[in-house]
Amino acid sequence: GAVVSQHPSWVICKSGTSVKIECRSLDFQATTMFWYRQFPKQSLMLMATSNEGSKATYEQGVEKDKFLINHASLTLSTLTVTSAHPEDSSFYICSATWGEVLTDTQYFGPGTRLTVL
Amino acid sequence: GQSLEQPSEVTAVEGAIVQINCTYQTSGFYGLSWYQQHDGGAPTFLSYNALDGLEETGRFSSFLSRSDSYGYLLLQELQMKDSASYFCAVRDHQGGKLIFGQGTELSVKP
Repeated sequence: GAVVSQHPSWVICKSGTSVKIECRSLDFQATTMFWYRQFPKQSLMLMATSNEGSKATYEQGVEKDKFLINHASLTLSTLTVTSAHPEDSSFYICSATWGEVLTDTQYFGPGTRLTVL
Repeated sequence: GQSLEQPSEVTAVEGAIVQINCTYQTSGFYGLSWYQQHDGGAPTFLSYNALDGLEETGRFSSFLSRSDSYGYLLLQELQMKDSASYFCAVRDHQGGKLIFGQGTELSVKP
């Protein structure tokens, strides 16, 4: 099956620093990638939708200047959390798909656990 | 908009059968998906129903009734490793993003 990787798997940073998380589709070209955030014991909340070569579409309430998304190629999307604060500590998960976004399966990465001190 | 409801937690014993229900409200429907997530892990795709009826994959089955805006995930011959959170999800008609339910935490006891 399709494989999506994320790097790093976990990261601890100081408040005020920036953190970059990579999402890669290893064996397919992802036309669309999605970024989710999940707080403990809660559901996955979509942050943004990323299409290769175009600007990301952010969900309501998600600050695009704080969560920078770059989808530079069909196999790589990055999420940069700028000026991170403790409330940004969360589990960040990407997913990727190709073809028809309305029906095709989304494949999830293993997630990145961010802890901001 | 879209919304999904599912029970917050379910407990069952090994070897038993458990059903996790999901009701949804959507503007435009493109199928109901189910995902499993173990603590600290990423969601794993289990099943997808676009049409009414039952889909079976091994010990797991998923059912959909579009007229009732309702579906369920059926887990048979429960094993300890099935203890996890289970999410139902629908697609948003704009952009295809997945909208997840709040998740059902399944605890399987010996």
